[in-house]
Amino acid sequence: QVQLVESGGGVVQPGRSLTLSCAASGFTFSNYGMHWVRQAPGKGLEWVAAVSYDGSQTYYADSVKGRFTISRDNSKNTLYLHMNSLRADDTAVYYCAQVPFLEWFGGWFDPWGQGTLVTVSS
Amino acid sequence: DIVMTQSPDSLAVSLGERATINCKSSQSVLYSSNNKNYLAWYQQKPGQPPKLLIYWASTRKSGVPDRFSGSGSGTDFTLTISGLQPEDVAVYYCQQYYSTPPWTFGQGTKLEIK
Repeated sequence: QVQLVESGGGVVQPGRSLTLSCAASGFTFSNYGMHWVRQAPGKGLEWVAAVSYDGSQTYYADSVKGRFTISRDNSKNTLYLHMNSLRADDTAVYYCAQVPFLEWFGGWFDPWGQGTLVTVSS
Repeated sequence: DIVMTQSPDSLAVSLGERATINCKSSQSVLYSSNNKNYLAWYQQKPGQPPKLLIYWASTRKSGVPDRFSGSGSGTDFTLTISGLQPEDVAVYYCQQYYSTPPWTFGQGTKLEIK
């Protein structure tokens, strides 16, 4: 079945960088757009970034634009989120999620990975 | 950006009774060319990722119990849980995918047992 497994979270100081990974299996990864969604402790869901099936198109939330970069390696079935200039308000669980349509990144999110916690603190 | 607003923020319902959660979008999410509402509902239990329940506002995902139903059109939507079960305790979110980016979520509704 479809499985998404995030990794790379941890504690990082403000201003530093971190890269998250999402390993995908159970489906043809290169055919689907992918997203990152985050959830601050005790808060709701916030969409972060999207990448098209081939990596040629990317979109970002205003809150992370210019600091975060989403990318993918279809040969490794892996999605990435490179996070620079991290701030305390970036502290959250980061989820990767698939969208349902071939070669498009629109739609709902299903499934989601289990998430990886990023804590930005000195 | 489309703003999604859920009501109430929390509710407590007795086992076996009906729970109703509302979601309002700041602009219509109905695409006239295919008459589909670009709205999804998710359930999130503590310590777990969100799970998709409903898409196109009223299409239940395969495997989701039929006590979960979605309704509404345009800007006003409802998630109804008929016959509340203990395992339905969770936070529920609506999300629009009509005007993106950004994909936007409601603030969540916490459902508890009375």
